[in-house]
Amino acid sequence: GAVVSQHPSRVICKSGTSVKIECRSLDFQATTMFWYRQFPKKSLMLMATSNEGSKATYEQGVEKDKFLINHASLTLSTLTVTSAHPEDSSFYICSARSRGRSNQPQHFGDGTRLSIL
Amino acid sequence: AQKVTQAQTEISVVEKEDVTLDCVYETRDTTYYLFWYKQPPSGELVFLIRRNSFDEQNEISGRYSWNFQKSTSSFNFTITASQVVDSAVYFCALSEFGNAGNMLTFGGGTRLMVKP
Repeated sequence: GAVVSQHPSRVICKSGTSVKIECRSLDFQATTMFWYRQFPKKSLMLMATSNEGSKATYEQGVEKDKFLINHASLTLSTLTVTSAHPEDSSFYICSARSRGRSNQPQHFGDGTRLSIL
Repeated sequence: AQKVTQAQTEISVVEKEDVTLDCVYETRDTTYYLFWYKQPPSGELVFLIRRNSFDEQNEISGRYSWNFQKSTSSFNFTITASQVVDSAVYFCALSEFGNAGNMLTFGGGTRLMVKP
């Protein structure tokens, strides 16, 4: 079946560091990828919708300069948390939708646990 | 605007008990999809089921069953004869068909603890 690979699975770094998270669709082309954030014991909140070849669409309240999204190819989207601070510590999950298969469920990555010291 | 409510934040049962997780949704669209996902402690999301708004047939898959009632805007999930491995957070989610990219709106999740 379709697989989405998310890397890294865990990051621990100092405050002020920028962290890049990759989301790859391994056996399908994904025109649309989604980035979610999950605080401990909370639900998943959509941060942004990433469209290949165009600018990402951010949800209200999400700082686009803080969370840079690049979707340069049909199989890769990246989320960069710039100058991360402890409040950015969270679980980030990406998902991807197959190109031309809008009636299929999204495929989720395994998530990235980000801890900023 | 779409909204998903999972009123039960935590449920604790003893193994072999049946348990139902509630999900109520709001949408203005007539065409939409409903989902259930399981999130074990390791964090990944496991897809369980997708149901479209035109299919109100209940579904059974092993110990899992789902009851979709459009009249009450509910999509409840029942686990029969629960097992310890069922312990996880379960999310109900909604996607409106006309939504660009089919973004998902998640409910708050229900943490299920199955004790031996």
